[in-house]
Amino acid sequence: DAGVIQSPRHEVTEMGQEVTLRCKPISGHDYLFWYRQTMMRGLELLIYFNNNVPIDDSGMPEDRFSAKMPNASFSTLKIQPSEPRDSAVYFCASRAGGRDQPQHFGDGTRLSIL
Amino acid sequence: RKEVEQDPGPFNVPEGATVAFNCTYSNSASQSFFWYRQDCRKEPKLLMSVYSSGNEDGRFTAQLNRASQYISLLIRDSKLSDSATYLCVVNYLILSNAGNNRKLIWGLGTSLAVNP
Repeated sequence: DAGVIQSPRHEVTEMGQEVTLRCKPISGHDYLFWYRQTMMRGLELLIYFNNNVPIDDSGMPEDRFSAKMPNASFSTLKIQPSEPRDSAVYFCASRAGGRDQPQHFGDGTRLSIL
Repeated sequence: RKEVEQDPGPFNVPEGATVAFNCTYSNSASQSFFWYRQDCRKEPKLLMSVYSSGNEDGRFTAQLNRASQYISLLIRDSKLSDSATYLCVVNYLILSNAGNNRKLIWGLGTSLAVNP
């Protein structure tokens, strides 16, 4: 079975550029999550969707960050303009409905802003 | 107090040792709990869910203590391949005027190195 698919795996770009991260959740999963992971802050939830609708975006650091889920099989996380402090690993995860269902993570996108 | 706290380690143990990690949480309304494992430069993967009565999966045992608000993970007969970071995850109930909501809160992880 295909897991959560993220692209790109690595992204290196200069500050000020727009960055778009992509995610395809596991088919049939109702929930999709975007996380950011750094050494200092660990894994931080940025936003999550239920049935393509954003439910909680309180973790989005500022207006430079935006996320969309136009359909059940695709989501994007966009940073515009990017800054060096955005450098981190960004994970997408999905899970089935039901309170205790575990999350399944993609391989992550390693983002470096120069 | 942090919502979810873990001893960052690192724990360095020899092969075959038994090692235990604790994780404390602050929200008494927390409903479900998980242990995830994350290898270096990889994504987190579910190790096991934690049930009220405690549960065991091979060499791994997870326990929940609601009164003291902590969960634990015990690894017996540790292997070199157990070297990883172990993340504690707590499913919080957040009460608000707009309605109750649940949110997963992740610990920063405990690093384990099993040595030959």
